[in-house]
Amino acid sequence: KNEVEQSPQNLTAQEGEFITINCSYSVGISALHWLQQHPGGGIVSLFMLSSGKKKHGRLIATINIQEKHSSLHITASHPRDSAVYICAVRLQETSGSRLTFGEGTQLTVNP
Amino acid sequence: DGGITQSPKYLFRKEGQNVTLSCEQNLNHDAMYWYRQDPGQGLRLIYYSQIVNDFQKGDIAEGYSVSREKKESFPLTVTSAQKNPTAFYLCASSIEASGVTSSYNEQFFGPGTRLTVL
Repeated sequence: KNEVEQSPQNLTAQEGEFITINCSYSVGISALHWLQQHPGGGIVSLFMLSSGKKKHGRLIATINIQEKHSSLHITASHPRDSAVYICAVRLQETSGSRLTFGEGTQLTVNP
Repeated sequence: DGGITQSPKYLFRKEGQNVTLSCEQNLNHDAMYWYRQDPGQGLRLIYYSQIVNDFQKGDIAEGYSVSREKKESFPLTVTSAQKNPTAFYLCASSIEASGVTSSYNEQFFGPGTRLTVL
């Protein structure tokens, strides 16, 4: 079993829909990251969380440390949001910023 | 502009040949990382370096080698011993120095190199 599990693996939505991507992890962590990977392959960091909630534009990320769960929400989705969204965690027992990654969620937003 | 560059973007090699992927950063970051990405799988760590002249094996180091002679550069060599080298390779860097854990550290990723073995 992977230490980081994402759901769903694939998600198709219509423009304007509210989207939720989930991430569960099975070990203690010091931080959780949400990343976005576009078709060209480049990866951009969206959020880094250790508690609570963060918002940037139409993106909202939440984390529940007790339940070992995080969600990424996209409000008013747009075709340009189509990408792979990756959850990654920094395990508590590792030094430095070595990350463990989920398999990613492929999001397609249709016009 | 500060950032991470990887070259080339696409690379083809014949089976049995070694090939070196370049990764350069001008962010003054101490730590650098190499990841491999295969379809349907999460990124997997090949090697990482927390400081110049030091590096550690990640989860899938077999068939790969690295060097860290300069802070800015962390080249990855895919050797002929790597059984299935066709993949997308990503380099990343972060501020964090060895032994220090910060909740606010972040990894910055390069654009990647897609390696195909013919």
